Amino acid sequence: LAKTTQPISMDSYEGQEVNITCSHNNIATNDYITWYQQFPSQGPRFIIQGYKTKVTNEVASLFIPADRKSSTLSLPRVSLSDTAVYYCLVAGGANDYKLSFGAGTTVTVRA
Amino acid sequence: NAGVTQTPKFQVLKTGQSMTLQCAQDMNHEYMSWYRQDPGMGLRLIHYSVGAGITDQGEVPNGYNVSRSTTEDFPLRLLSAAPSQTSVYFCASHPGLGGDEQFFGPGTRLTVL
Repeated sequence: LAKTTQPISMDSYEGQEVNITCSHNNIATNDYITWYQQFPSQGPRFIIQGYKTKVTNEVASLFIPADRKSSTLSLPRVSLSDTAVYYCLVAGGANDYKLSFGAGTTVTVRA
Repeated sequence: NAGVTQTPKFQVLKTGQSMTLQCAQDMNHEYMSWYRQDPGMGLRLIHYSVGAGITDQGEVPNGYNVSRSTTEDFPLRLLSAAPSQTSVYFCASHPGLGGDEQFFGPGTRLTVL
């Protein structure tokens, strides 16, 4: 299971773009990169997943360079309701089930 | 679809008591898992199941038992509660292995005195 490293916290203001980078130097060929969001007193919620290059959905974009050793979650024009903890996971193999979420990145959006 | 449901939402136990946390899903997912989340920390895997009748240990299994008699239900049993088991417990289900999207329940906040 590839180990990930991401910043502990980030501060931003409403309307700004927030970029969270996750390092995963030991990513395997069949691993996918998945990001989750967790609000206080709730379970994590899937945001986006990608394998390489760029993926975009209605919530976020995920940028993955060619070597796949890092990835960047981009949240455009954040609002106060985007204040949450964001987790980066790397997994995908057939035996890769034992997932644990690291401490994640606490994003605080201020008015 | 209710998704993943957990009961109870809150529970207070005394040291040495036993209890079962309930988890149910209505998405017909083969895979289910239990996590615990301690203050300021991420989620750690306790036990998981890859189908009815099949379970295995995660990262922190000691003090917990699970069984999976049906696809829908995956209860977590605390055999003899200890203060170190004070935590928030999340159940999740997902259709496949590894990177597949996990669907989480709302959590059970457990306090052991």
